[in-house]
Amino acid sequence: GEDVEQSLFLSVREGDSSVINCTYTDSSSTYLYWYKQEPGAGLQLLTYIFSNMDMKQDQRLTVLLNKKDKHLSLRIADTQTGDSAIYFCAESRNFGNEKLTFGTGTRLTIIP
Amino acid sequence: DSGVTQTPKHLITATGQRVTLRCSPRSGDLSVYWYQQSLDQGLQFLIQYYNGEERAKGNILERFSAQQFPDLHSELNLSSLELGDSALYFCASSPQVSGGYNEQFFGPGTRLTVL
Repeated sequence: GEDVEQSLFLSVREGDSSVINCTYTDSSSTYLYWYKQEPGAGLQLLTYIFSNMDMKQDQRLTVLLNKKDKHLSLRIADTQTGDSAIYFCAESRNFGNEKLTFGTGTRLTIIP
Repeated sequence: DSGVTQTPKHLITATGQRVTLRCSPRSGDLSVYWYQQSLDQGLQFLIQYYNGEERAKGNILERFSAQQFPDLHSELNLSSLELGDSALYFCASSPQVSGGYNEQFFGPGTRLTVL
C-alpha cells in the first residue's frame, strides 16, 4: 500500500539551511512532490522530481531522491521567515492525472 | 491565487445535518479532486471527477457524495454529519492533458466545523 512519512516539526535559525525529510513505501511512485501550506491558504506546489532523477535544484530549493531507500528530502537554502509553513511531500504514479498521496506534513518554524 | 475557488470559506453546523461544499476549477481544467485534511487522518484523497464523470475514489465515506456539473464546477455533499467530519476540505483542479503538464492547483479550502 501507499504510505508517506515525515517528521512533524523542524525549527531552523533564519539564514541557515532547512532539510525536510520524507520516506515512502510505494515502489511504483513515479513522481514525488513538495507542497507548501501557509496558514489560511491552499497547498502550493514548490517542486517535483521524477523517479529516474536523483537531484533537482530550483533556486533556493534542492530535492534529493534516494530511490533505493525510498527517501526524499527538500533542502531550503538561506531560510527566511517567509518559509514558515507546513511542508508536505506527496507521491503519484502519473503527473497530475491521478490522486496525490500526502505525507503527514512537517511544520517548519524559523527562529530569528 | 491558484485560480481555484471554494465556497464557503467556513461552515459551522450540527451533527446529523447535511452540507454542500462548492468548487470552481481553473478555467479550462477538466479534472477536479477533493481532499480532506483532518488532525487524525492527515491530508487524504476523497474523489476525482473528470469532465463530469467520476474517475477515481479514495477513502470517501458512503455518507459523502460528489458531482461535477456541465460547467465543470463540482460539489461535495456531506450528510449525517458527525463530529469527526470536522476538517478542512480542499478542492484541486488540473488540465488533464494526456502526456502534458498536469499540476494540481489547490483552492483555499472550506473549513467545516461540526458541533
